[in-house]
Amino acid sequence: EAGVTQFPSHSVIEKGQTVTLRCDPISGHDNLYWYRRVMGKEIKFLLHFVKESKQDESGMPNNRFLAERTGGTYSTLKVQPAELEDSGVYFCASSRQGEADTQYFGPGTRLTVL
Amino acid sequence: AQSVTQLGSHVSVSEGALVLLRCNYSSSVPPYLFWYVQYPNQGLQLLLKYTSAATLVKGINDFEAEFKKSETSFHLTKPSAHMSDAAEYFCAVSKAAGTYKYIFGTGTRLKVLA
Repeated sequence: EAGVTQFPSHSVIEKGQTVTLRCDPISGHDNLYWYRRVMGKEIKFLLHFVKESKQDESGMPNNRFLAERTGGTYSTLKVQPAELEDSGVYFCASSRQGEADTQYFGPGTRLTVL
Repeated sequence: AQSVTQLGSHVSVSEGALVLLRCNYSSSVPPYLFWYVQYPNQGLQLLLKYTSAATLVKGINDFEAEFKKSETSFHLTKPSAHMSDAAEYFCAVSKAAGTYKYIFGTGTRLKVLA
């Protein structure tokens, strides 16, 4: 089966611009998660979807970040307007319902805000 | 609150030598524990996980880890390092019973010397 895919793999934008990251989970996985790794730091949880519903968005840094998962399939994470501190690698992961303990990760999107 | 500490952001071993990557956790409830590996330009791949069954957990590529409650540790070992083991390794914790949010350590980059 295909793994978790993320697009784009890299994005370089200027401060104040908008960027949208996309994640396609493994087919049939109801749980979808977003994480972020700022350079040199740990990977941090951002939010969790179960199908199209936000189960937990306690890790979202601020209201410049908006995540959606319309139809319960792919998800987008929009940053508007982007700030320098938003630079990092954004990972998406998915898991089956009832197997939330094992998450499958995508390759990440490296975001650089200049 | 849960947390994970990985001792050593960089570890070097000679090819054929023992690999030991350290992970200590804190958790107020019995945890689930994970080791993930990230090879260059790839996503995080699950190496092994502990979910309250056997305390010695075997994973892929001859890696194993032992859950030691008294030491709050979950160190990763491999008897003989291969050049292909060079990667970044992440320890993560989540709560028992159906949670989803991973708390990661800061990662350990393993270098294997010829």
